[in-house]
Amino acid sequence: GAVVSQHPSWVICKSGTSVKIECRSLDFQATTMFWYRQFPKQSLMLMATSNEGSKATYEQGVEKDKFLINHASLTLSTLTVTSAHPEDSSFYICSAETSNEGELFFGEGSRLTVL
Amino acid sequence: AQRVTQPEKLLSVFKGAPVELKCNYSYSGSPELFWYVQYSRQRLQLLLRHISRESIKGFTADLNKGETSFHLKKPFAQEEDSAMYYCALLSGGYNKLIFGAGTRLAVHP
Repeated sequence: GAVVSQHPSWVICKSGTSVKIECRSLDFQATTMFWYRQFPKQSLMLMATSNEGSKATYEQGVEKDKFLINHASLTLSTLTVTSAHPEDSSFYICSAETSNEGELFFGEGSRLTVL
Repeated sequence: AQRVTQPEKLLSVFKGAPVELKCNYSYSGSPELFWYVQYSRQRLQLLLRHISRESIKGFTADLNKGETSFHLKKPFAQEEDSAMYYCALLSGGYNKLIFGAGTRLAVHP
């Protein structure tokens, strides 16, 4: 199947710094990628839909200035957590679809710990 | 409101026993539902979707619109079925998924 890769898999940063997480579709082009957040022992919550070449669509309650999403190419979307604080510590997961509303493939996730 | 409910956080069974992981949904239109599975230290992956009506790894799930349910079933559980299972509802277009809280299935020898 198609492969989606996230980098880094784990990042620790100081409060106030910004952190960038990458999501790549390795063997297919993805016009649409999705970013989720997962708190410990809780479900995945959709944060935003990332469309190549256009602005991301954020879910209600997600701060777009806090979580910057860029989808500059058909194989790469990035999530930047700006001015991170301890409450931003979480597991961030991306997914990409193989074609228009095709099957979704998930990345392995990125764990962010803000000290 | 669109919502997916998985009432059980943990389901513990012995090998060979039948398994049913419950999923109920709330959706105003015609729902499209999925089951995703996450094995230990692996990424989330699609197990099955109701529109394909297929059986994967012995698992089946039937959409019951009257009961607004999409329970996942397997007649004889195997140890390798131990994993986290998420029920998900397609919300609108563009593959936006609403996930349930997940149920951890533990199959004991």
